[in-house]
Amino acid sequence: AQSVTQLDSQVPVFEEAPVELRCNYSSSVSVYLFWYVQYPNQGLQLLLKYLSGSTLVKGINGFEAEFNKSQTSFHLRKPSVHISDTAEYFCAVSDRNPSNNDMRFGAGTRLTVKP
Amino acid sequence: DAGVIQSPRHEVTEMGQEVTLRCKPISGHNSLFWYRQTMMRGLELLIYFNNNVPIDDSGMPEDRFSAKMPNASFSTLKIQPSEPRDSAVYFCASSLGLAVLEQYFGPGTRLTVT
Repeated sequence: AQSVTQLDSQVPVFEEAPVELRCNYSSSVSVYLFWYVQYPNQGLQLLLKYLSGSTLVKGINGFEAEFNKSQTSFHLRKPSVHISDTAEYFCAVSDRNPSNNDMRFGAGTRLTVKP
Repeated sequence: DAGVIQSPRHEVTEMGQEVTLRCKPISGHNSLFWYRQTMMRGLELLIYFNNNVPIDDSGMPEDRFSAKMPNASFSTLKIQPSEPRDSAVYFCASSLGLAVLEQYFGPGTRLTVT
């Protein structure tokens, strides 16, 4: 079974600074990778996903992530954050078996953007 | 589309009472997931259905928990009897197709058991 480790539980950063949220995964098979965002008192919303092709994936709100197979990582980045990016971010992995609908989430990283 | 709909949004109940959480997935989606989120354990997958059939319920914590999906547009998660440690936010999500490409989450039900 696959698993996900988010290396930072909290990341404080000042507005307009760059940010990287780290994610490593473990799986014995090929995977799909996702980043979700959860704003306070809301459900999760998909930011971006890696299915195949280019290892650099661009998502909504200016976020991007890079799939690194050799390092089994899928780190999320944004060159300049806004106050409105304050939220909880979850990395998730699912295997490519079409009969398997199981997705595993990391513990989450709380991003706090300060003015 | 209205998205995934969950009800109630908040539920406060006393220990020992039965609790039923409801979910309406996005029309046309054929996979449905129930998650529980707590500060201590994060986001946990409880059970998921495909074409109304439970596929994996290994995440259901105890026999006190049960889930049903009588048709493609409705699912319930029931806890009986409820305990204070069941207090959490419960999310329902749905997706299209057998392979998980994206899950659409509902707003969640915040359950408090006193």
